Amino acid sequence: EPEVTQTPSHQVTQMGQEVILRCVPISNHLYFYWYRQILGQKVEFLVSFYNNEISEKSEIFDDQFSVERPDGSNFTLKIRSTKLEDSAMYFCASSVPGGDSGNTIYFGEGSWLTVV
Amino acid sequence: LAKTTQPISMDSYEGQEVNITCSHNNIATNDYITWYQQFPSQGPRFIIQGYKTKVTNEVASLFIPADRKSSTLSLPRVSLSDTAVYYCLVGSGTYKYIFGTGTRLKVLA
Repeated sequence: EPEVTQTPSHQVTQMGQEVILRCVPISNHLYFYWYRQILGQKVEFLVSFYNNEISEKSEIFDDQFSVERPDGSNFTLKIRSTKLEDSAMYFCASSVPGGDSGNTIYFGEGSWLTVV
Repeated sequence: LAKTTQPISMDSYEGQEVNITCSHNNIATNDYITWYQQFPSQGPRFIIQGYKTKVTNEVASLFIPADRKSSTLSLPRVSLSDTAVYYCLVGSGTYKYIFGTGTRLKVLA
């Protein structure tokens, strides 16, 4: 079964450093997402991406964050100047809407970011 | 934006049927309702999706009344491994799907 893959599974970084989280969405999917989940809290939407542009973003997704699809298979989330409160699990997801079903989003297993 | 409301937690015993209801009063005409399961430190896993009436797959059923203002996920004969958090999702705007707080299901032996 196709799946969304994420790397790294766990990263520890110093406060103020830049981090890039990588994702390989399901191959025929067209929409890509990043969500995050702080330990013990609910899953929060960050951004959706389609046709090389941001479709939607939340108030969390400020200038510190950026997304990119550098080639035909990868989708990345860059966090600049990390803060302690950026420590969370970051989930990549993808979807291909249309047809007889709604826009079913499939999630990766997450990248756990620890900022120290 | 379509906001969802679910019970915070539920307990059940192995072998029982569990029904988790989600309220989404301001669901939009084109929105589908999707349910996810999440285990600790794992990504949400797709369970089932529907638009109206009833949908059934190999793991669950989804009941949606005619007004679509709520939906009920039904898990038949739960086991200990079904202990997880269950989320219902309704489309919010253009591909901005917002998770609610979810329902923490605990299955007891």
